[in-house]
Amino acid sequence: AQSVTQPDIHITVSEGASLELRCNYSYGATPYLFWYVQSPGQGLQLLLKYFSGDTLVQGIKGFEAEFKRSQSSFNLRKPSVHWSDAAEYFCAVGKHNQGGKLIFGQGTELSVKP
Amino acid sequence: DVKVTQSSRYLVKRTGEKVFLECVQDMDHENMFWYRQDPGLGLRLIYFSYDVKMKEKGDIPEGYSVSREKKERFSLILESASTNQTSMYLCATWAPSSNYGYTFGSGTRLTVV
Repeated sequence: AQSVTQPDIHITVSEGASLELRCNYSYGATPYLFWYVQSPGQGLQLLLKYFSGDTLVQGIKGFEAEFKRSQSSFNLRKPSVHWSDAAEYFCAVGKHNQGGKLIFGQGTELSVKP
Repeated sequence: DVKVTQSSRYLVKRTGEKVFLECVQDMDHENMFWYRQDPGLGLRLIYFSYDVKMKEKGDIPEGYSVSREKKERFSLILESASTNQTSMYLCATWAPSSNYGYTFGSGTRLTVV
């Protein structure tokens, strides 16, 4: 069955520290991969996406993610976290031939310490 | 920019009521989706639609139905609301030309009492 796993439910990092949020997927073929962010009281916003090509993708707000086929992973990284990055982060996978249907992970809540 | 508007931000309904959640988009996106979001479970797909009058079940359709009479509007219907349907409901749209990103509405937080 297709699935997406975000192993960390909650992560706390200090402002200025680096961040890595983990995402593992189970899929029959190379999927399309996404990271979304949801700030408190807000809708979901697309951070970045991977379709093909360069496995290191850059997104908005200084985030990047790396697709590793051998590990079925698509981890999100940021070199220096800002207090405004506190939010919930969702990894998602999909296939173009499924009409845009996405499967989401459980989410990782990020807290930032001053 | 595509705007996806969900008619209510907060709703409180009674058990057994029929509930309508409305979602309207202002672009010509073919595909529309309803998800529910619960803590620790992420987003789960309830129903989606590829076109007017077309619908397909997602992963958790039980207790829900949908209606898409016009391309811009996708309604989620709770036939007889129950307390376990208390949740955040998110509508999203997508088109093949949209570079494969969903556009989400701001959500409707439904409480069933």
